[in-house]
Amino acid sequence: GNSVTQMEGPVTLSEEAFLTINCTYTATGYPSLFWYVQYPGEGLQLLLKATKADDKGSNKGFEATYRKETTSFHLEKGSVQVSDSAVYFCALRFTGNQFYFGTGTSLTVIP
Amino acid sequence: NAGVTQTPKFRILKIGQSMTLQCAQDMNHNYMYWYRQDPGMGLKLIYYSVGAGITDKGEVPNGYNVSRSTTEDFPLRLELAAPSQTSVYFCASSTGQGLSEAFFGQGTRLTVV
Repeated sequence: GNSVTQMEGPVTLSEEAFLTINCTYTATGYPSLFWYVQYPGEGLQLLLKATKADDKGSNKGFEATYRKETTSFHLEKGSVQVSDSAVYFCALRFTGNQFYFGTGTSLTVIP
Repeated sequence: NAGVTQTPKFRILKIGQSMTLQCAQDMNHNYMYWYRQDPGMGLKLIYYSVGAGITDKGEVPNGYNVSRSTTEDFPLRLELAAPSQTSVYFCASSTGQGLSEAFFGQGTRLTVV
């Protein structure tokens, strides 16, 4: 079946550190891939997405590349800020189907 | 832009009571979803709908019911509230296309005591 596996948190980084949150998926075929962010007390917001192999999604300094050969969609940011503290969810979806979410990775950035 | 609107934002229920969580979207999306998020956990799909009049069970449907009489509205009904239903509930909507993301509401925080 379809599933998403994320690295377990929580992750704590100092401001300006490099961030990587690993995400791998299991799926039959080639889904669309998404990263969502959830700030405290809020709903999930789309951070970035990619719809085919080798696509790179980017937004607010975050990037993720759709790697078909490794079935991965790792989230990266070169220099995190305190305001990036949130929970990050990786997700996949096929056309006309439901979304499959990972369990989320909590990130805390300290000044 | 309203997007996905959930009401209420907070609610405390007593065991055995019933209530309806409301969800409305103004984006003309065919697909709508209900998720629950337990503390420190990911999202679990309760029910979803691919259009008016069509609903399907997700991963954790027991104790809940839904209806979809219009494209805009997708209420979630709890008939006999139990402490295990204490959670944050999120409604979401999307188009049917694979590249389309889901849009989420702000959530309803429910406590059953």
